[in-house]
Amino acid sequence: DARVTQTPRHKVTEMGQEVTMRCQPILGHNTVFWYRQTMMQGLELLAYFRNRAPLDDSGMPKDRFSAEMPDATLATLKIQPSEPRDSAVYFCASGLGAGMGEQFFGPGTRLTVL
Amino acid sequence: AQSVSQHNHHVILSEAASLELGCNYSYGGTVNLFWYVQYPGQHLQLLLKYFSGDPLVKGIKGFEAEFIKSKFSFNLRKPSVQWSDTAEYFCAVNARRYSGGGADGLTFGKGTHLIIQP
Repeated sequence: DARVTQTPRHKVTEMGQEVTMRCQPILGHNTVFWYRQTMMQGLELLAYFRNRAPLDDSGMPKDRFSAEMPDATLATLKIQPSEPRDSAVYFCASGLGAGMGEQFFGPGTRLTVL
Repeated sequence: AQSVSQHNHHVILSEAASLELGCNYSYGGTVNLFWYVQYPGQHLQLLLKYFSGDPLVKGIKGFEAEFIKSKFSFNLRKPSVQWSDTAEYFCAVNARRYSGGGADGLTFGKGTHLIIQP
């Protein structure tokens, strides 16, 4: 049963610390997405990659957030320095190209910044 | 820019009642439409999707949705809900990109929190 995996599942950190979240997409999927879910804003697209190349990161605060795909099996989202307003659940999703559209979501990383 | 509006933020129903959750999107071009469900403490799961063809789409767990292009709507329905349907429901749209192809980021509605009372 192919699934998107994310680590860590929960992270509590103090303001100013660096946070790195990891995602392993479903094997064979060439598109990886990062979303953020908060009570106020709901689900927002932060960034996404196709074939490991960044396609759109317009939803991501550039000054403190960065997203990378070191290889086809790993995507990372880093926040440095973290702030309390970054507290949210961060979801990774993966999908296939060629116009399929369907995305498969991971379990999320619940981040709390104190 | 595309946007999705879900009109009902909270819905409370009794078991066996019929369900309809509204979803309207704003985008002038061709879209793919989705309904996702998020059970308490879990990740998002796909309920159903519309890409093309028959505008009445059937999904898992007895859910269905109807795409009405003239109304820019994609409402979710279920004839008889169960307690286990208690969850958050999200409508999402994906504007098709013919030039590049591929799956692009979803735009989600704010969600509808559905509570089914036994």
